[in-house]
Amino acid sequence: EAQVTQNPRYLITVTGKKLTVTCSQNMNHEYMSWYRQDPGLGLRQIYYSMNVEVTDKGDVPEGYKVSRKEKRNFPLILESPSPNQTSLYFCASSPGQGGETQYFGPGTRLLVL
Amino acid sequence: GQNIDQPTEMTATEGAIVQINCTYQTSGFNGLFWYQQHAGEAPTFLSYNVLDGLEEKGRFSSFLSRSKGYSYLLLKELQMKDSASYLCAVRRRANSNSGYALNFGKGTSLLVTP
Repeated sequence: EAQVTQNPRYLITVTGKKLTVTCSQNMNHEYMSWYRQDPGLGLRQIYYSMNVEVTDKGDVPEGYKVSRKEKRNFPLILESPSPNQTSLYFCASSPGQGGETQYFGPGTRLLVL
Repeated sequence: GQNIDQPTEMTATEGAIVQINCTYQTSGFNGLFWYQQHAGEAPTFLSYNVLDGLEEKGRFSSFLSRSKGYSYLLLKELQMKDSASYLCAVRRRANSNSGYALNFGKGTSLLVTP
């Protein structure tokens, strides 16, 4: 089944404890992206990648890191999480390098205490 | 910067037609998308416009006017299951060495009533 998977789906952590949210797609898509969704602010792009080893900042990259060593995986790293990073995170992928027709993962709900 | 505006909430009756508007201001515009998001779920793709005009797909149509920075999503023959949030998103060329960034509006929450 063609899909985007994220792990974990739910996470409670404490300030400063490094964490990684994994994202994997099995559709051989070129473009992958991370978003956070907050009430009243909508979906905001954190980072995106148009191909392996090619990543760029979205609108809210501060406090996050990403890597794209393989086409299928695009992990999101929070080196030192803070409470303002409490949010719902979505990973997405799309076939071309332009981010058309994005397929979203199920979301990761993160709470930073 | 980028600015995308859409109404916060709308209500419509089952069987009716509703139009959700989206206006945007952005540099490097390269396409406009509409996504549907049901509560507690991930967004799903509805439509994509890169040229001016109307794109029709079943009960859903989307229109784009690049000169006016304006798009709308038209939903016909509304069904109860159409109650969801509708997200307008603008794709833009971020810079010459990079790919395409996407900016989403805050979404329009549509309630379909019997």
